[in-house]
Amino acid sequence: DTGVSQNPRHKITKRGQNVTFRCDPISEHNRLYWYRQTLGQGPEFLTYFQNEAQLEKSRLLSDRFSAERPKGSFSTLEIQRTEQGDSAMYLCASSSHQGLNTEAFFGQGTRLTVV
Amino acid sequence: SQKIEQNSEALNIQEGKTATLTCNYTNYSPAYLQWYRQDPGRGPVFLLLIRENEKEKRKERLKVTFDTTLKQSLFHITASQPADSATYLCASMNTGFQKLVFGTGTRLLVSP
Repeated sequence: DTGVSQNPRHKITKRGQNVTFRCDPISEHNRLYWYRQTLGQGPEFLTYFQNEAQLEKSRLLSDRFSAERPKGSFSTLEIQRTEQGDSAMYLCASSSHQGLNTEAFFGQGTRLTVV
Repeated sequence: SQKIEQNSEALNIQEGKTATLTCNYTNYSPAYLQWYRQDPGRGPVFLLLIRENEKEKRKERLKVTFDTTLKQSLFHITASQPADSATYLCASMNTGFQKLVFGTGTRLLVSP
């Protein structure tokens, strides 16, 4: 399977715990995005990487959130001291950003439930 | 700020009819718009991209239009089928070509 892979698919955690999600993009894609989606809403941008460089972070991303993309390959999104408001679907997407052909390929998402 | 708006109410239609979904944008002029399909519990899947200099784009039973005067894109599914039931998202790249900005999506329900 050469699509975008996200792990885990589901995560239930207690409030205050730390969680980490992983995203493996399509191998030749240099851009990687993280989005958050809650029920009835469209995906909200969190952050993106161009290769290994994190180029933009949304105001939605508090200090408890951190993302990395070492060596420009897979990426991790960590949430520290989780809160109930962090419960959402976390989506990862990658694209090649060649000219204007910037369709994004999404993973299946990680569903986070904070109890 | 740049904004994409879609009708948040679900669209219910009968099988065989044409479904038409609307996407409006404000405060910017996107170079192109994209449409995605999202099924419950899954990530969005790319369907079509239309550039600002293209009036219309087709792919099988799908048709997308882009009206820069009205600041609107219409997404049509002809001869709709129950399998077309899903949420359809409109998106565009923000100024500076950095990130895709999504609308809230419109849920389509096609009844047999």
